[in-house]
Amino acid sequence: DAGVTQSPTHLIKTRGQQVTLRCSPKSGHDTVSWYQQALGQGPQFIFQYYEEEERQRGNFPDRFSGHQFPNYSSELNVNALLLGDSALYLCASSLGPGATNEKLFFGSGTQLSVL
Amino acid sequence: DQQVKQNSPSLSVQEGRISILNCDYTNSMFDYFLWYKKYPAEGPTFLISISSIKDKNEDGRFTVFLNKSAKHLSLHIVPSQPGDSAVYFCAAHLYNTDKLIFGTGTRLQVFP
Repeated sequence: DAGVTQSPTHLIKTRGQQVTLRCSPKSGHDTVSWYQQALGQGPQFIFQYYEEEERQRGNFPDRFSGHQFPNYSSELNVNALLLGDSALYLCASSLGPGATNEKLFFGSGTQLSVL
Repeated sequence: DQQVKQNSPSLSVQEGRISILNCDYTNSMFDYFLWYKKYPAEGPTFLISISSIKDKNEDGRFTVFLNKSAKHLSLHIVPSQPGDSAVYFCAAHLYNTDKLIFGTGTRLQVFP
């Protein structure tokens, strides 16, 4: 039973570029949440996708956008990259958006470096 | 505004002794709290949780205590084992949302 898988594992971009990160949820899960973990900080909630729609959003600018596909996989897009976007991006999946968060399973993350 | 705070960035404990990790919060709209453990190059994994209506929850070697009046929770690990060495995140669920608010983490090292 595959857990949450994210790709790529590492990525280097330059300021102003755009990036797309991908996530496949754990088998049987239909909800995907994205978190940003900056160095020395805890993960910060970006947004959650369920039924191909963004349900809730954290305090992130519109440069951060996402998508969920019919197979429940998800993408996180970041436009006009800033140095401050350098972070570990974590994807988490669950069964249903209302699932208690102890049922949240995280992937290993994508480490994004913006130069 | 840091709503969930872990003021100790690191903790070192001898194997077999008790590890106590602390967490403070400011928002009264949190309805339950969770602890996650994170090893290097892996995502956080759920460890234990507690509802805001309880003051203690126990699961094997792990116990979480909640003091609502002080807005403080703690994770006790007894006895500590070298495999417990990891970064521990305290997280709080914001009522009526899908958001988890994480603390900055405490790095626990258990030495023989």
